[in-house]
Amino acid sequence: GAGVSQSPRYKVAKRGQDVALRCDPISGHVSLFWYQQALGQGPEFLTYFQNEAQLDKSGLPSDRFFAERPEGSVSTLKIQRTQQEDSAVYLCASSPPWGLAGGSSYNEQFFGPGTRLTVL
Amino acid sequence: SQQGEEDPQALSIQEGENATMNCSYKTSINNLQWYRQNSGRGLVHLILIRSNEREKHSGRLRVTLDTSKKSSSLLITASRAADTASYFCATAGGSYIPTFGRGTSLIVHP
Repeated sequence: GAGVSQSPRYKVAKRGQDVALRCDPISGHVSLFWYQQALGQGPEFLTYFQNEAQLDKSGLPSDRFFAERPEGSVSTLKIQRTQQEDSAVYLCASSPPWGLAGGSSYNEQFFGPGTRLTVL
Repeated sequence: SQQGEEDPQALSIQEGENATMNCSYKTSINNLQWYRQNSGRGLVHLILIRSNEREKHSGRLRVTLDTSKKSSSLLITASRAADTASYFCATAGGSYIPTFGRGTSLIVHP
């Protein structure tokens, strides 16, 4: 079956431009996560949705970062007025219901291939 | 911020040898997971160990957890060239959202 897909796979933006990154989760997965992975680092949590509700956005680095999932499936991560320090791979992951709300303390996350953003 | 710290940062071995990677963390956890990342398959979940477990096996993988030392190890036995990748530990506390370390880069020479 289809896994998590992300588009575009590569994005080059000039400093100050706005970008929008898309994530298509696995069908039926209610939980969706965004991570930022800088070169040579591990993924860092940005935000988490359960269906259309954004339950945790504590990892978003600034108010230039905004994520939405209006219908509880596809999600978009938007970065306004991009800066060079925003250059990274942005990973999306989905899973069945997460945490205790899903009746289990854990469900495996399935990651997409990521979008590599380069800000010049 | 990164919770786990993997050690070593880089590891180079010959095919057939065993590879051991360690992860240390700072705060109490509910579970710890190991992931593999390579350019071909992206980030893939390998194994999860809960805080009340001490050891788990999955194929050629063996994970141990010592909560008193706040550390975990991942052992890959009889390594293959296809095991070449970066390996990350990820700890999860009360929110169950995993926090990743910086990773160990493993190269297995054929």
